[in-house]
Amino acid sequence: AQKVTQAQTEISVVEKEDVTLDCVYETRDTTYYLFWYKQPPSGELVFLIRRNSFDEQNEISGRYSWNFQKSTSSFNFTITASQVVDSAVYFCALSEAVKGEYGNKLVFGAGTILRVKS
Amino acid sequence: NAGVTQTPKFRVLKTGQSMTLLCAQDMNHEYMYWYRQDPGMGLRLIHYSVGEGTTAKGEVPDGYNVSRLKKQNFLLGLESAAPSQTSVYFCASSYLLRGTGFQYFGAGTRLSVL
Repeated sequence: AQKVTQAQTEISVVEKEDVTLDCVYETRDTTYYLFWYKQPPSGELVFLIRRNSFDEQNEISGRYSWNFQKSTSSFNFTITASQVVDSAVYFCALSEAVKGEYGNKLVFGAGTILRVKS
Repeated sequence: NAGVTQTPKFRVLKTGQSMTLLCAQDMNHEYMYWYRQDPGMGLRLIHYSVGEGTTAKGEVPDGYNVSRLKKQNFLLGLESAAPSQTSVYFCASSYLLRGTGFQYFGAGTRLSVL
């Protein structure tokens, strides 16, 4: 069965520090998608990125960057020059194209609480 | 464009009471989902639906029932609420593209069962 592990329960950094959130996944499928979501204190889930299993290029979006390494089954998320507004819970998730079944079932990691102090 | 709307936003129940959570989406999505979020456990899938009139069990379906009588609505029912069902419930919807998984989430419903 698929599984997503976010080993870091909570991380605290000081503003302007860089921080990396780890995500390791397990799947037997060759086609799958990986996601990162942000959950700020207000509680909603904010989509950050989707990456398919065939695209191992790193991605950068402003202060955010993602490193996908299929060889180590990892999809890590780095925030450069962190800001207080980055304080949130961050979830990594996995979706599989499961043959014979319907639905895009997402499996979430337990989440990492990021606290950025000023 | 409202996206995914969940009703109610907060609710307190007593053990044994029943209630229904409503999820409505206006994006004409085929797939809809109900998750629960508990501390330290991320989101877990309760039930999902691939279209009007069709539902399926997710990872933690016990104690819940669902119905999808209209394409835009997905209802989650608790017939006899238990304290273990205290949680934050999220509804989501997505396009009919198996495996791509891009889901739009509602704002969540915070449920407390006393």
